[in-house]
Amino acid sequence: EAGVAQSPRYKIIEKRQSVAFWCNPISGHATLYWYQQILGQGPKLLIQFQNNGVVDDSQLPKDRFSAERLKGVDSTLKIQPAKLEDSAVYLCASSSRGGTIPFEGTDTQYFGPGTRLTVL
Amino acid sequence: AQSVTQLGSHVSVSEGALVLLRCNYSSSVPPYLFWYVQYPNQGLQLLLKYTTGATLVKGINGFEAEFKKSETSFHLTKPSAHMSDAAEYFCAVRFSGGYNKLIFGAGTRLAVHP
Repeated sequence: EAGVAQSPRYKIIEKRQSVAFWCNPISGHATLYWYQQILGQGPKLLIQFQNNGVVDDSQLPKDRFSAERLKGVDSTLKIQPAKLEDSAVYLCASSSRGGTIPFEGTDTQYFGPGTRLTVL
Repeated sequence: AQSVTQLGSHVSVSEGALVLLRCNYSSSVPPYLFWYVQYPNQGLQLLLKYTTGATLVKGINGFEAEFKKSETSFHLTKPSAHMSDAAEYFCAVRFSGGYNKLIFGAGTRLAVHP
C-alpha cells in the first residue's frame, strides 16, 4: 500500500515570496492533516480536512496561509507571502475515518516524509 | 490547559542498555496516548498507542509504554537499545471529543553509542 506522498521534499525561497506544497494521502483516507514542525519542536496542527470540508483551522495563520482539498483527495498548502519564521518542515498526514461529527476513540494518522522549507 | 511534556530533549544510552523516555500530560480526563518515532528526513511512524484497557502497551521494535493515570504519565521503554533506535521520539495525545486532533510534545532525541 502506498503511503502519504508529498512534494517537493525541499524548498528554499526568499522572504515575501510565495510557495506551495502538495500532498496525496493514502488511497481511501477521508481525513487529511497539515502540520508545521519547527526545528526543536513537535508538530503543530495547522489544518484538518474531513473529505472536502475543514473541521479545524484554529492554528492556521490565515493572513498568509491557505489550504485546499479539491475533490476530497489531494491537497495543497500555500504560503503568501513567506516570513523567516515560516522556516520549518511541513508534514501531511491522513487517516481513514470520515464524517463531520466529533467522535471518541482514535483514528491512526499516517505521515508523509515532509517538505523542508527554508526562508532566507 | 491541556498539554504534553517530554522530559529531556536529548537522551544518550549505550547499546544494550535500558531506554526510558518520559512523557507527562496535563488533563483532568485521561486522553488517548501515542508514541511516534521520526528517523532523519522521514515522516513520523507510529510506535504504539493507548486507548482503553490494559495499561501496558506493546509496540513495534521491542518498545512498550505504560499508562499511569495517577501520575498522568506514559513513559516509553525498551529493555535493550540497538544502534538502529537512534532517532527522535514524540509523545502525542488526543484529548476527548473533537476530531482526532493530536497534540505533540517537543520530542526527545535518542542517541545510542557503542
